[in-house]
Amino acid sequence: QKEVEQDPGPLSVPEGAIVSLNCTYSNSAFQYFMWYRQYSRKGPELLMYTYSSGNKEDGRFTAQVDKSSKYISLFIRDSQPSDSATYLCAMSGNAGGTSYGKLTFGQGTILTVHP
Amino acid sequence: GAVVSQHPSWVICKSGTSVKIECRSLDFQATTMFWYRQFPKQSLMLMATSNEGSKATYEQGVEKDKFLINHASLTLSTLTVTSAHPEDSSFYICSAQPVPGLAGYEQYFGPGTRLTVT
Repeated sequence: QKEVEQDPGPLSVPEGAIVSLNCTYSNSAFQYFMWYRQYSRKGPELLMYTYSSGNKEDGRFTAQVDKSSKYISLFIRDSQPSDSATYLCAMSGNAGGTSYGKLTFGQGTILTVHP
Repeated sequence: GAVVSQHPSWVICKSGTSVKIECRSLDFQATTMFWYRQFPKQSLMLMATSNEGSKATYEQGVEKDKFLINHASLTLSTLTVTSAHPEDSSFYICSAQPVPGLAGYEQYFGPGTRLTVT
């Protein structure tokens, strides 16, 4: 079993739709949860960053973390064609020690928003 | 802010030769940089963690003699693929972690380097 599971999609939605992306994980030591957006042949771009459980909102993006269920989500409101990309969840454990900063990525979900 | 560059963006080399990839943090200092490899339609796999002034820490299964990492300054890390073979063809991405306490736990990724070994 992978430490982080993410449905690779592909996911296709019409412009303006609400998009829901999610990841599950098995390692209870994960404390930091990130969402990255990656365009084709480009490096990942950090979208959202959450520590522990809770919600975080930034513009059209909302990240949710439910540590009790080991489940994280990213919601995109009023989706735009420019949101078409691969979305990767990533997680990391506690600061300090040899695991500091090491990210474990999900497989990535390919999203297409069509006009 | 938080820009990371990589050079070259695309390189083709012949089997048996070596190629060096540079990763630079342009507007912040990074005591730690990470090197990832990504195959088509797959996720990023961490290869090694690079700390300024010390030896890199490699992930299990990554040959340290084949993938040489040098982190000579707080803004530059290099990855050298030695004696490259076609199976080394991949997308190599670095990330840089700002000095702890200044920017939290985030990592900022470079644009990637596409390596093709013929």
